This record gives sequence, C-alpha cells and structure tokens, in this order.
Amino acid sequence: EDQVTQSPEALRLQEGESSSLNCSYTVSGLRGLFWYRQDPGKGPEFLFTLYSAGEEKEKERLKATLTKKESFLHITAPKPEDSATYLCAVPHSGTYKYIFGTGTRLKVLA
Amino acid sequence: DTGVSQDPRHKITKRGQNVTFRCDPISEHNRLYWYRQTLGQGPEFLTYFQNEAQLEKSRLLSDRFSAERPKGSFSTLEIQRTEQGDSAMYLCASSLEGYTEAFFGQGTRLTVV
Repeated sequence: EDQVTQSPEALRLQEGESSSLNCSYTVSGLRGLFWYRQDPGKGPEFLFTLYSAGEEKEKERLKATLTKKESFLHITAPKPEDSATYLCAVPHSGTYKYIFGTGTRLKVLA
Repeated sequence: DTGVSQDPRHKITKRGQNVTFRCDPISEHNRLYWYRQTLGQGPEFLTYFQNEAQLEKSRLLSDRFSAERPKGSFSTLEIQRTEQGDSAMYLCASSLEGYTEAFFGQGTRLTVV
C-alpha cells in the first residue's frame, strides 16, 4: 500500500539552529515528491517538486533533497517566520491523486 | 490569475442540513481536486476531476458527498444531511496534466453543530 511517513511530528528550534525534516515514502514507481508549507487555518502553499534521486531544490533557507526511499527538507538558520507545518506528498501509484503525510509542525523560537 | 479561490471561507451549519462549497481553480489547470483535513492530520483525498469528468472518488467517501465540475471550470462539493464528523477543513486544489504540483486554495472551514 502506498504510504508517506513524516518525522518528527513536531520540532522546536531556536532561531539560527539548523535541522532537517524527513519524509519517507513507499510507492510503486515514484512520479514526483512535493513539499508544502501550511500556516494555521490556511491551505498548503507549494514549495518544491523533486522527481529523481539525487535532485535538490533550494529556496531561501530551505533545501529539499531526494533519495530512492526518502526526502529531506533542510532548514538552515531558521527564523521565527519559518514556523509552520511542513507537508510532503507523492502521487498514488497508477492514479493522479496525491497522498500526504501527516506533516511536521515546526516552531522556531526567537 | 489570483490562484485557487474557495467560497465560503467558513461555514457553520446545524446537523442534518445540506451545505455546498465552491472552488474556482487556476484558469489553465484542467485537473481539480478536493481534499479534507482535520486537526493534526494531512489532507485526505476525496475526489478529482480531469476537465468535467470525475475520474476518482475515495472509497471512504459517504454517499452524502457529491461533487460536480459541470463545464470543466469551477467545481462544487455538496454534503447532504451533515453530521458532526463532517466538521473539517475542505481544501480544493488544481494542477496541470501529468505528475505536477497542485496549488491549493485557502480552504472552507466547516463546523457542524
């Protein structure tokens, strides 16, 4: 069964303290992995798409990487405004629906 | 284009009433998705359309839920005879064809009292 698992569930960081969020997946033939940021009470905001193992994408303090079994979202020198829930998703095998993980709730303290 | 638009943003309804939500996707996107999200969980797939055709519907979705996309543009999601367990954030997203990123609206928060 296709599955996406994110860890940790929650993460508290001091401002400037770098860390990584993990997204592991089990699908038959990966057709893309997507990272989103979600603020409370709002819809997910698209961040990155990764298609191939070894691929990396960067945006400001965020960098996403992909292997054959998992993806990491690295946050370098985070700021309080990076506090949010980070979600990853993959397309379900054989269809175009996306399966989401439960997310990592990140809190960055000033 | 201002992105995916959902209306209303909030809806409070009494148990047993029917509710309808609207989603306007990004204009050039031919795929449209509905998801449901409860507190602390990731979005859960409900259904999706390619143009006006509804191609997949979650097996978990009760017969009380129905969605339409009559002209391949906007979509509506109706919930009949609402129950307290239907309280959630209902999210709409759209995308181009292929395995591409989906863009979400701000969601409709439904509270059933």
